[in-house]
Amino acid sequence: KAGVTQTPRYLIKTRGQQVTLSCSPISGHRSVSWYQQTPGQGLQFLFEYFSETQRNKGNFPGRFSGRQFSNSRSEMNVSTLELGDSALYLCASSKWTGVGETQYFGPGTRLLVL
Amino acid sequence: GQQLNQSPQSMFIQEGEDVSMNCTSSSIFNTWLWYKQDPGEGPVLLIALYKAGELTSNGRLTAQFGITRKDSFLNISASIPSDVGIYFCAGSGETSGSRLTFGEGTQLTVNP
Repeated sequence: KAGVTQTPRYLIKTRGQQVTLSCSPISGHRSVSWYQQTPGQGLQFLFEYFSETQRNKGNFPGRFSGRQFSNSRSEMNVSTLELGDSALYLCASSKWTGVGETQYFGPGTRLLVL
Repeated sequence: GQQLNQSPQSMFIQEGEDVSMNCTSSSIFNTWLWYKQDPGEGPVLLIALYKAGELTSNGRLTAQFGITRKDSFLNISASIPSDVGIYFCAGSGETSGSRLTFGEGTQLTVNP
């Protein structure tokens, strides 16, 4: 079974630009979550989508947004990029197993903002 | 908000030694997960725990879900060089849905 895939793997942008990252979940998984990982703040939750609806949201500014499509694929968008947005952005997909929900992560998109 | 304290922050051990790391939470969790992350990659799931008191093994790895639901530990037995990496605990609670709160990570170095 294919794992979570994320594209692109690496991205360089300049301040003020916007960026869109893509995530394809494991087949059959309907929940997709996004996390930001930085050396200073660690792994922080951005938002979660389930059946095309945002189910949960972290404490990030409105410049960070996302969406989910009917095939469960998800995108996240960051507008008006700031230097501090440089990070590894991780997508995770999950499925209820009957006893709990386990998240499986993709390889991440490394974003560098100059 | 929920806080997770993971310790130790780093460990330097000899090949063949056993390793133990743990996480404590300020609030109750329903799920504890342990991940390993290699440089430039996403976290890889090692063990998932869903019930208080649960003890689960995966090869040389053993993890337990604390009885109070506020802590978990991970043991690695007979470490090998490929165990090198950063280990993270993560938990989700009753009010957070599947949203995970992560520990700060334990950097493990294994000397051959």
